Amino acid sequence: GAVVSQHPSRVICKSGTSVKIECRSLDFQATTMFWYRQFPKQSLMLMATSNEGSKATYEQGVEKDKFLINHASLTLSTLTVTSAHPEDSSFYICSASFYRGTEAFFGQGTRLTVV
Amino acid sequence: AQSVTQLDSQVPVFEEAPVELRCNYSSSVSVYLFWYVQYPNQGLQLLLKYLSGSTLVESINGFEAEFNKSQTSFHLRKPSVHISDTAEYFCAVSDEGAQKLVFGQGTRLTINP
Repeated sequence: GAVVSQHPSRVICKSGTSVKIECRSLDFQATTMFWYRQFPKQSLMLMATSNEGSKATYEQGVEKDKFLINHASLTLSTLTVTSAHPEDSSFYICSASFYRGTEAFFGQGTRLTVV
Repeated sequence: AQSVTQLDSQVPVFEEAPVELRCNYSSSVSVYLFWYVQYPNQGLQLLLKYLSGSTLVESINGFEAEFNKSQTSFHLRKPSVHISDTAEYFCAVSDEGAQKLVFGQGTRLTINP
């Protein structure tokens, strides 16, 4: 089956710094990638949708200048949390799908802790 | 707008007992429906999905779900659970080719020996 790899699985950063999370589709070309955020014991909330080669579409309430998303190739999307604050601490999960696909494939998630 | 409601936040059951995890959705268009399972500190794994055709769908590990359009439900069932089924289960809906998903709140299934 299709595999999506997310890296790193865990990261701790200092308040005010930036951190980059990578999402790679290993065995298929991902025309669309999605980034979700999950707070403890809560559901996944969609942050943004990115299509290869174009700007990401952010959901209402998500700061696009704080959560920078790049989808420069068909196998890689990155989420950069800029000027991180403790309230950005969360579990971030990406998913990827291919054109006309009927399923989205999820990465393992990244637990971000901002201290 | 679509929404998904999972009526139970936690479901404790004994091993080998049957279980049903409830999911109701709202949508004004045709939908695709999914159940995902999440183990601690991991991503989501697709358990089963309904796209079209038979309203009863099954997974390889004994779970099944039935799409009921009149009741707008997609409840997940298993006749006999195992300790390894302990996890968080998410119901999700999409109307855009199964790519952009709206998730329910999740149900934590706990299996007691």
